[in-house]
This record gives sequence, structure tokens and C-alpha cells, in this order.
Amino acid sequence: AQSVTQLGSHVSVSEGALVLLRCNYSSSVPPYLFWYVQYPNQGLQLLLKYTSAATLVKGINGFEAEFKKSETSFHLTKPSAHMSDAAEYFCAVSDPHYGQNFVFGPGTRLSVLP
Amino acid sequence: DAGITQSPRYKITETGRQVTLMCHQTWSHSYMFWYRQDLGHGLRLIYYSAAADITDKGEVPDGYVVSRSKTENFPLTLESATRSQTSVYFCASRATGQETQYFGPGTRLLVL
Repeated sequence: AQSVTQLGSHVSVSEGALVLLRCNYSSSVPPYLFWYVQYPNQGLQLLLKYTSAATLVKGINGFEAEFKKSETSFHLTKPSAHMSDAAEYFCAVSDPHYGQNFVFGPGTRLSVLP
Repeated sequence: DAGITQSPRYKITETGRQVTLMCHQTWSHSYMFWYRQDLGHGLRLIYYSAAADITDKGEVPDGYVVSRSKTENFPLTLESATRSQTSVYFCASRATGQETQYFGPGTRLLVL
């Protein structure tokens, strides 16, 4: 069975600092991987996805993530945090060989301090 | 372009009552999903549907019923609401052959 872990339920960074949100997955086959962002009282918006092409994936709003098979990781980064990045971030995995249903991590709340 | 909508956005009900949450998408996506979001659990899949009249259980289906008579609609019914079903419910959809799911704005349900 697939599972996703996100280290740190709450991460705080200063405006302009590096953002690093961690995601590790367990899957018996190479999965598809996703990062979604949720702003307060809104639905989930796709930030970026990995679907077995380039291992470094660029997304919206300056975010990127790198798929590392040896570490079973898909960490999300942004070089310089902005106040508008404050939100909840979810990592998700899907198995392309088993219906592609998503399994989500528990989420990481990002706070950006002025 | 309405995309995917959910109604109501907020609902308060009492234990034992039946509640139906609506989901409507305008993209003609084959797949539709219902999730519940709870602190510490992320989103958990309740039910999904691969096409009209085809539904299947997800991780946490107990206490819920779904139907899909039309491609664009995927209602979720709580037959007899319990306090443990207090949650935020999200509907999502995706096209066949595509990986990305698109989410509605959510319904916040409080069961008293």
C-alpha cells in the first residue's frame, strides 16, 4: 500500500528565506507525485507534478520539487518566501498501475514571518 | 468556465439526519472523487467513480452513499449523520488518461 509522510506539520520561515517542505513516499512501483496548495477556506490547487519525465519539476509561483528515487523523496522548495506563500501544502502520490487514485500526506502548514 | 462546484459550502445538521452534499463539474471528466479533510490526516478518499453508474469505495466509505446517474454530478449522502462525520468535504475530478485531479472549493459540515 502506498503512504506519504510530510515531515513537520508546521513550518515557519522569514520572508525572503528558503522554503523547504519535505515529502517521502512508499510505493512498490515508480509513482506519480504531486504537490497541492490550499489557501484558507479554499480548495486544493495543483502546484506541480512528477510523472516520470524530468526529475526536477518546476511549478507555479516559483516552486520546484526534485524526485529522488533512491531517497523516495519529493521535497518542495522555493528560493525566497513571500507572504502570499502562507498556506497548507499537501504531497500526494498515485500509482499509475493501480487506478491512479491519490494518497495524500497529512499536510504542512507554512507560515511566512515578516 | 465554472469548473467544479460544490453545494452547500457550509452545513450544520444534527446527528441522525440525512445530508446530501452536491458536486457538479462542467468538464465532462470521467472520474470523480469525494474526500474528507481532517486535521492530521490530510485528505482521505471516501468514494470515487470512473464513469456514470460506476462507483467504488475508497479508504473511508462507512456511513456514506454515492450515486452517479449523470457524468457531471456526483452527490455524497450521509444516511444518518454522526459527529465523527464533522469534516470538510472535497469533490475532485479528472479526465481519463490524465493524472491531475481538480478540486472543488469544499463543503464544511458540522454535525451537532
